[in-house]
Amino acid sequence: GPKVLQIPSHQIIDMGQMVTLNCDPVSNHLYFYWYKQILGQQMEFLVNFYNGKVMEKSKLFKDQFSVERPDGSYFTLKIQPTALEDSAVYFCASSLDRGREEVFFGKGTRLTVV
Amino acid sequence: SQWGEENLQALSIQEGEDVTMNCSYKTYTTVVHWYRQDSGRGPALIILIRSNEREKRSGRLRATLDTSSQSSSLSITAAQCEDTAVYFCATDSGGNNKLTFGQGTVLSVIP
Repeated sequence: GPKVLQIPSHQIIDMGQMVTLNCDPVSNHLYFYWYKQILGQQMEFLVNFYNGKVMEKSKLFKDQFSVERPDGSYFTLKIQPTALEDSAVYFCASSLDRGREEVFFGKGTRLTVV
Repeated sequence: SQWGEENLQALSIQEGEDVTMNCSYKTYTTVVHWYRQDSGRGPALIILIRSNEREKRSGRLRATLDTSSQSSSLSITAAQCEDTAVYFCATDSGGNNKLTFGQGTVLSVIP
């Protein structure tokens, strides 16, 4: 079936450094999402993105976070600077349309901030 | 039940048994998604039930939705070892795929 690819699968970074998480969404999808999952907890919505713009973001989407998809390439989540509490698994997702439609998730990038 | 402040739920059953996992939600939703997540993988949709549906089946899976009580259930008939996974329900109150996930149920099916 359709696949969302996330690169890398695991990243370790020093606190205060910048990190970019990359996502290759399903090719014909138009809506893109990032979710955050701390170990043992439920997945939580961070942001959704359509037509080059953030549509909605949660309170977890701090000022240090940004997303973009330049020229239809990777959909990226950038954290600058990183903090210890940013350690989590970040899942990228995409969908063809909004609402009531299947959302396809990647395998996640495990981010460890040390 | 998957909502509220409960910790991750865990169920352990024998192969061949039936199991039902419940999910209650707090706000109106147009759809309930049921996902399974295998270790080291992202969530994969297994059933999506819309607010105008009371029941939906897919193979050995059956989902129900009761909008009046704001609850949904996922049943697996004759569970198999490969059904071992974490199962999440998720709601979409805004209709824009801003999903709110439950805590999840860790299902272990023992041979």
